[in-house]
Amino acid sequence: GESVGLHLPTLSVQEGDNSIINCAYSNSASDYFIWYKQESGKGPQFIIDIRSNMDKRQGQRVTVLLNKTVKHLSLQIAATQPGDSAVYFCAENIDQGAQKLVFGQGTRLTINP
Amino acid sequence: EPEVTQTPSHQVTQMGQEVILRCVPISNHLYFYWYRQILGQKVEFLVSFYNNEISEKSEIFDDQFSVERPDGSNFTLKIRSTKLEDSAMYFCASSRTGANSPLHFGNGTRLTVT
Repeated sequence: GESVGLHLPTLSVQEGDNSIINCAYSNSASDYFIWYKQESGKGPQFIIDIRSNMDKRQGQRVTVLLNKTVKHLSLQIAATQPGDSAVYFCAENIDQGAQKLVFGQGTRLTINP
Repeated sequence: EPEVTQTPSHQVTQMGQEVILRCVPISNHLYFYWYRQILGQKVEFLVSFYNNEISEKSEIFDDQFSVERPDGSNFTLKIRSTKLEDSAMYFCASSRTGANSPLHFGNGTRLTVT
């Protein structure tokens, strides 16, 4: 069955606005989570990660929030730009002894000018 | 910024043929992976590799598949006797450490089996 899933397959926001992409995971033992961005014709590009002992982590224009109680992960992108248009995947590491990522289905983010 | 490189970008092969997909991981990374993405579907784990041996593999990675690190820089995925359903994007990735370390992906090889 699906271990990681996305609530919305598509999301459109106006350039300059903030966006929030959500992800639900089902494995409570997962200890590490990553957000990836995938542009057309390219491989997944690392954006930000978070370990299970944290509930928030910030990067440049991005913030990841982890709610272990409800097994929910979100990616916030501030002041969106046209280059942010892509498919965003969350991934969880289901094997604490190894790096075996389970990816979600992905959310397509479109930034409107 | 160092990156994972994959060749070829597109490989077309006939059913039953063998293919070798090639990858050059980031030079100071120690862990290597293959993932695949069937068109319109999720990225799926195939195999992880460390210290010249497989450390984890998925149920997809059966006897049809093999991996090798033939020298200090290349990491290959061999698919024997390809099937139509092997058509997918195959992504190589590497990470500096084995746990809680982000995987860095290449741009993939699109494999088309006809």
